[in-house]
Amino acid sequence: DGGITQSPKYLFRKEGQNVTLSCEQNLNHDAMYWYRQDPGQGLRLIYYSQIVNDFQKGDIAEGYSVSREKKESFPLTVTSAQKNPTAFYLCASSIERRQGYTGELFFGEGSRLTVL
Amino acid sequence: AQSVTQLGSHVSVSEGALVLLRCNYSSSVPPYLFWYVQYPNQGLQLLLKYTSAATLVKGINGFEAEFKKSETSFHLTKPSAHMSDAAEYFCAVSERSGNQFYFGTGTSLTVIP
Repeated sequence: DGGITQSPKYLFRKEGQNVTLSCEQNLNHDAMYWYRQDPGQGLRLIYYSQIVNDFQKGDIAEGYSVSREKKESFPLTVTSAQKNPTAFYLCASSIERRQGYTGELFFGEGSRLTVL
Repeated sequence: AQSVTQLGSHVSVSEGALVLLRCNYSSSVPPYLFWYVQYPNQGLQLLLKYTSAATLVKGINGFEAEFKKSETSFHLTKPSAHMSDAAEYFCAVSERSGNQFYFGTGTSLTVIP
């Protein structure tokens, strides 16, 4: 079945450590996104990518980094510069928006990061 | 940038009662509109979407939403709540010319038996 796979589901990190969250999709979607979810704040965009080897900062990119070397993969690194990294992270993908197609988002199951 | 307002962060209804979750957007040009549902520790699942066809949109699990341009609203309804409807609901908008999505802060629905 086609879908988006995020791993790990749960991750614990010590302060000062970088961690990388994996996101893989087999939907053949062009665009991929990373969102951060905190209670009562909805989803906030961290980074998005519309094509391989290109990505754009979202609203809260500070302390995060991404790469897009393959169409199927869009890993997110939470660096030690992120002051409050404990959150639920969601990866999503969509078909590139073009005329006549709405391109809704498809989501993975999420990764919960806890900083100890 | 777009903004999305969901009135009521928590809504409680009795089983069998009408569900009404409110969503308003800020755009002079009607965007694409979406409702998503999220169960605890899971990703978001699309319930329905408005793409400028019929203003009354039917989705999965008996939900529907009506686009009202004059009110810039896209409220979600279900005639009769079921226990399995208890979840977090998010309204989202996307401009027709872009690839960014803007989410509301969510409404947590509790269904009382």
